[in-house]
Amino acid sequence: LAKTTQPISMDSYEGQEVNITCSHNNIATNDYITWYQQFPSQGPRFIIQGYKTKVTNEVASLFIPADRKSSTLSLPRVSLSDTAVYYCLVGGNTGGFKTIFGAGTRLFVKA
Amino acid sequence: GAVVSQHPSWVICKSGTSVKIECRSLDFQATTMFWYRQFPKQSLMLMATSNEGSKATYEQGVEKDKFLINHASLTLSTLTVTSAHPEDSSFYICSASYGTGTEAFFGQGTRLTVV
Repeated sequence: LAKTTQPISMDSYEGQEVNITCSHNNIATNDYITWYQQFPSQGPRFIIQGYKTKVTNEVASLFIPADRKSSTLSLPRVSLSDTAVYYCLVGGNTGGFKTIFGAGTRLFVKA
Repeated sequence: GAVVSQHPSWVICKSGTSVKIECRSLDFQATTMFWYRQFPKQSLMLMATSNEGSKATYEQGVEKDKFLINHASLTLSTLTVTSAHPEDSSFYICSASYGTGTEAFFGQGTRLTVV
């Protein structure tokens, strides 16, 4: 399982775009990149998943360069409710494969 | 999306007693479920992989006799913390998926406090 490295914490203001980068230098050919969000005392919530290039859904975008050794989660126009811990995971598509969590990035959105 | 439900959401028990936590996939069948433990301000730590109809696979350092896992059906896995002690107090979370090629869905977690 590829190890991931993320910033420990980030601060932002409401309305700003937030980009959280994750390094995964040892990513394997069949590994996917998945991001989860976790609020205090709740289970993680799936945000987005990708394999290469760019993926976008209603809440975020995921940018993956050609070498796939890193990825960037982009949250457009964050609000106070986006204050949470964000985890980047790399591995076989999480379904059916054990998912190892790194330390995550604690995002704090200020008014 | 698929829903995974844990019960109870929180539990307080006396030291030395056992506590059972249930994890259910409400609208899909899950051949594999995972159990995690999370201490305050820390990340999730994988405890074990639960496979329907077979013995669970435990991660290194997790006592299988203390944390009993049963996956009796495709929609239910249980974690029993036996002879609980205050150091077992933690947030326990399960996850499940409906197959390879899909993402994992997490339960809401169970806060265990051993007094």
